[in-house]
Order: sequence, then structure tokens, then C-alpha cells
Amino acid sequence: QKEVEQDPGPLSVPEGAIVSLNCTYSNSAFQYFMWYRQYSRKGPELLMYTYSSGNKEDGRFTAQVDKSSKYISLFIRDSQPSDSATYLCAAKPTTDSWGKLQFGAGTQVVVTP
Amino acid sequence: DTAVSQTPKYLVTQMGNDKSIKCEQNLGHDTMYWYKQDSKKFLKIMFSYNNKELIINETVPNRFSPKSPDKAHLNLHINSLELGDSAVYFCASSQSGDSPLHFGNGTRLTVT
Repeated sequence: QKEVEQDPGPLSVPEGAIVSLNCTYSNSAFQYFMWYRQYSRKGPELLMYTYSSGNKEDGRFTAQVDKSSKYISLFIRDSQPSDSATYLCAAKPTTDSWGKLQFGAGTQVVVTP
Repeated sequence: DTAVSQTPKYLVTQMGNDKSIKCEQNLGHDTMYWYKQDSKKFLKIMFSYNNKELIINETVPNRFSPKSPDKAHLNLHINSLELGDSAVYFCASSQSGDSPLHFGNGTRLTVT
């Protein structure tokens, strides 16, 4: 069983809607949580990362971590067709190097005009 | 001026051949990585180098050999290619400490 689980989708939403993405994880030692966006035929690019529990907001993007339920969320407000991509969540313990990031398999998001 | 660049972008080759993928980063980072992304989009670490020293070597067949001539470059050589090696290989870099990964755009390897 993978340490980070993510529904592969696809998740299709109309333009302007809120996109809600989730991951669950099993390792209670995870302290760093991040979201990467990957466009087709491109490398993953870091969207946001948080340390421990709580919320973080950056423009239209909000990341949430609930360590009590081992749940990671990403919300995209006012979604645009340019948000169509695969979104990967990832996590690691504080003691591990960045190379030990555990990735989810990614959720494909399609925003239709 | 791409931060992490890989060449080639596409690589189609036959089983049994030997091939190399090159990676360069201009971010001044001291750690570089090779990841493999399979057809289900799952990213898995293969190797990591810090200042030219191998620090992560996951369970990867020894047909795969990384080489880091300096801290800005990390190449991947693959011997005796097999069909199962077909995947997208991503190079990444980070600065040791509190610094997430920056990825290149990948090399799509197809073994026929």
C-alpha cells in the first residue's frame, strides 16, 4: 500500500467552479506537505507547501492539512481552463531528505470553458 | 533559461541498447535527483546526489548508473535496455535544507 493515496480522476469542472482535491496518507511522521501541478508532457512544478497542520493561501489556491485525520486538501477558486493539469500531492517527515518525498499518483483535472 | 534541463526530450530505442540521459541545473542547488514516472503517473525516486556524492540509491537494477561530474550535472546511463524501462524520467534539484524539488520537463523513453 502506498503511503500517499490520491484519486486519479479525471475530475471535470466548469470554468469558474471551485476545484477540490484530496489526498490521504498513512505515515503519522509526515510533517511537510506539498502540491505539485503537472501539465501534459511537462515536469511537476511546485504550487504550495506547508509544514504541519493548518491552511495556506496563495492567490486562488488554498492548501489544508488535517493531521488528525491524515488528510491533505487543495482548493482552486474561480477555476480556469489553464488550471487543467494533473495535481500531485506529496509528503515527507522532517527527518527525511527531499529525495524521500512520497508522491500520490496524481489527480487529473479538466476545467471546461 | 530553463532552471532544470534534460536532454533528450524523447528517446526511442530497441531492447538491449545502451543509452544516456543528461541533466543540468542552473539554480545553484547542491542536490540532484532522478525520478521515474510510470504510465500511471506515479513518481518514484531512483537516485540522489549531493555535491557529487551519491546519497540515495533506491532499489534500482544495476543496469542504471548515475554519474555526477559536478554539482550542476547529473547524468543517467542505462545498459541493456528492457521493455519495462519505458517511462518518463525526470531530473530534479533542490538546495539541501528546507527546499522542495524543482523538476525538469522529463525524458520520455520508449523501448521497443
